[in-house]
Amino acid sequence: EVQLLESGGNLVQPGGSLRLSCAASGFTFSDYAMSWVRQAPGKGLEWVAAVSASGQTTYFADSVKGRFSISRDDSKNTVFVQMNSLRADDAAVYYCARLYSGNYPFFDYWGQGALVTVSS
Amino acid sequence: DIQMTQSPSTLSASVGDRVTITCRASQSISNYLAWYQQKPGKAPKLLIYRASNLASEVPSWFSGSGSGTEFTLTIGSLQPDDFATYYCQQYHTSWTFGQGTRVEIK
Repeated sequence: EVQLLESGGNLVQPGGSLRLSCAASGFTFSDYAMSWVRQAPGKGLEWVAAVSASGQTTYFADSVKGRFSISRDDSKNTVFVQMNSLRADDAAVYYCARLYSGNYPFFDYWGQGALVTVSS
Repeated sequence: DIQMTQSPSTLSASVGDRVTITCRASQSISNYLAWYQQKPGKAPKLLIYRASNLASEVPSWFSGSGSGTEFTLTIGSLQPDDFATYYCQQYHTSWTFGQGTRVEIK
């Protein structure tokens, strides 16, 4: 059974930093690209970042480019998102999602989410 | 950037009703379109990929159609467990979601 478990959500002040982790199990982690998708309170879904299966290539939404980074540790079956210079509009539930393999990948499994609150 | 527009934003329906949600892309995305279901406080769940392919263990009364810029999600006979918010998402170029359609009890 595919499982994705996020951790690291917390309250952080504007301008601060936070790192979220997503531990994966139930599949061969190194075969899959991984992604983060967020949802602000009462709002829709917004893709944030993705990392290729090899870890060599990363992708970011314009809204987080230059502030967020994404990485993976295949030895620990874990993907991370490092969030710097956090702003009030970064507050959201952050979901880790697996990208289904293929030339046009889509999100096939999701974690339960980690809540990030940005407030002074 | 490709924009996705869903209609309606909210839909009131009864158990047993046939429900259709429309999703339009701002440019052609071929059939690289997925649909997700989300219940309050839960993660989204994949329902349909490649516009019309049912994901694993998704009930057969869900169906999807369309290509290019116009897509539909149809719930053939609405069940109590189907009251939720539904999102379309294009994956032709990066990933973009529609704003969601909330299906509520009439």
